[in-house]
Amino acid sequence: NAGVMQNPRHLVRRRGQEARLRCSPMKGHSHVYWYRQLPEEGLKFMVYLQKENIIDESGMPKERFSAEFPKEGPSILRIQQVVRGDSAAYFCASSPVGLAGAHEQFFGPGTRLTVL
Amino acid sequence: GENVEQHPSTLSVQEGDSAVIKCTYSDSASNYFPWYKQELGKRPQLIIDIRSNVGEKKDQRIAVTLNKTAKHFSLHITETQPEDSAVYFCAESYGQNFVFGPGTRLSVLP
Repeated sequence: NAGVMQNPRHLVRRRGQEARLRCSPMKGHSHVYWYRQLPEEGLKFMVYLQKENIIDESGMPKERFSAEFPKEGPSILRIQQVVRGDSAAYFCASSPVGLAGAHEQFFGPGTRLTVL
Repeated sequence: GENVEQHPSTLSVQEGDSAVIKCTYSDSASNYFPWYKQELGKRPQLIIDIRSNVGEKKDQRIAVTLNKTAKHFSLHITETQPEDSAVYFCAESYGQNFVFGPGTRLSVLP
């Protein structure tokens, strides 16, 4: 059972371009979370999705950022018109359906976005 | 909203000594408390977790204690080794919502 996959691992964009980050959850997991981590800082929650639904996007900026988790295919975090301040590591995590309480989140290797 | 405080932010110990990291939370409904270890440049990985119906859990050199009345939980690492050096994150969860603490950078000095 492959773990959480993220691609690309490293992404370089110039200011104003678009960044697309992909996350494939572990098999059988229907919950996906996206986090942002700046150097030397903690994990900042961005958005929580289930298949075809955004459950909680309270941590995601209202402008330029969007996320989806379609019925088929990976979850995608999209950043439009990137700025230097978007440079960070973006981690995706997945967890199984919770029948009784929360379950462990399994993290992907992260995508390191650098905006020039 | 939910908030998790974590102390200390940095911790240095001599190899072989114990390390203790403490987290406090605000949501009394939280019922799941995981601890993650993140080595430099790597992904966070779960090292131990505890649910609200348990007061203590141990796994070899690692233990976690939970005080629901006081809303705090702690990570204890005994007989520390250089490979324990990393950033440790606590988290609280209710349902499928997770809130992470800001992290503790642990350095184990040889």
